Amino acid sequence: DAGVIQSPRHEVTEMGQEVTLRCKPISGHDYLFWYRQTMMRGLELLIYFNNNVPIDDSGMPEDRFSAKMPNASFSTLKIQPSEPRDSAVYFCASSDEWISYGYTFGSGTRLTVV
Amino acid sequence: DQQVKQNSPSLSVQEGRISILNCDYTNSMFDYFLWYKKYPAEGPTFLISISSIKDKNEDGRFTVFLNKSAKHLSLHIVPSQPGDSAVYFCAASDGSQGNLIFGKGTKLSVKP
Repeated sequence: DAGVIQSPRHEVTEMGQEVTLRCKPISGHDYLFWYRQTMMRGLELLIYFNNNVPIDDSGMPEDRFSAKMPNASFSTLKIQPSEPRDSAVYFCASSDEWISYGYTFGSGTRLTVV
Repeated sequence: DQQVKQNSPSLSVQEGRISILNCDYTNSMFDYFLWYKKYPAEGPTFLISISSIKDKNEDGRFTVFLNKSAKHLSLHIVPSQPGDSAVYFCAASDGSQGNLIFGKGTKLSVKP
């Protein structure tokens, strides 16, 4: 298995632009998570899905953030409009059991908003 | 308020010696704990875990100790190797669906 695949690896965009981050989870995993890593806050959960259904989005910082999972093999995290404080590394992770062997993380997308 | 704390942002150890990474938590409902390792430009990878019914779990050079009364866990790496140099994250869960709470990480440097 190729693991959790995220794209793009790096994204530089101007303030006010729309940004879309993409994730392909491991086939057969029922859970998909979006995390954000910053120096100040460390790794924080933004939203997670179970069987393509959003379960908890309480970590999404603002209405500018939205996430979708149209099918079991694809998810997007969208920021519109983007702001410089959104600059961070965004990780997608998936899991077949919610905790037993942990989550498998993708390599992340480093977002820079200038 | 941070529920999972890693108070040491960094740790430097000589190759062959023991590395001890510490983690404290505040939520007494946490019953499962994990350690992740992260190399630069990569995602975190699962390393070892422990359930609250145990106080020790060992996997090769890695051992995790849990002290529930002190709400403290530690990761021991013996012997440390230069390839162990990475950021180590402690994570905890209360058993509720789909949420791991991570610490901010400790950067371990193992010097040859």
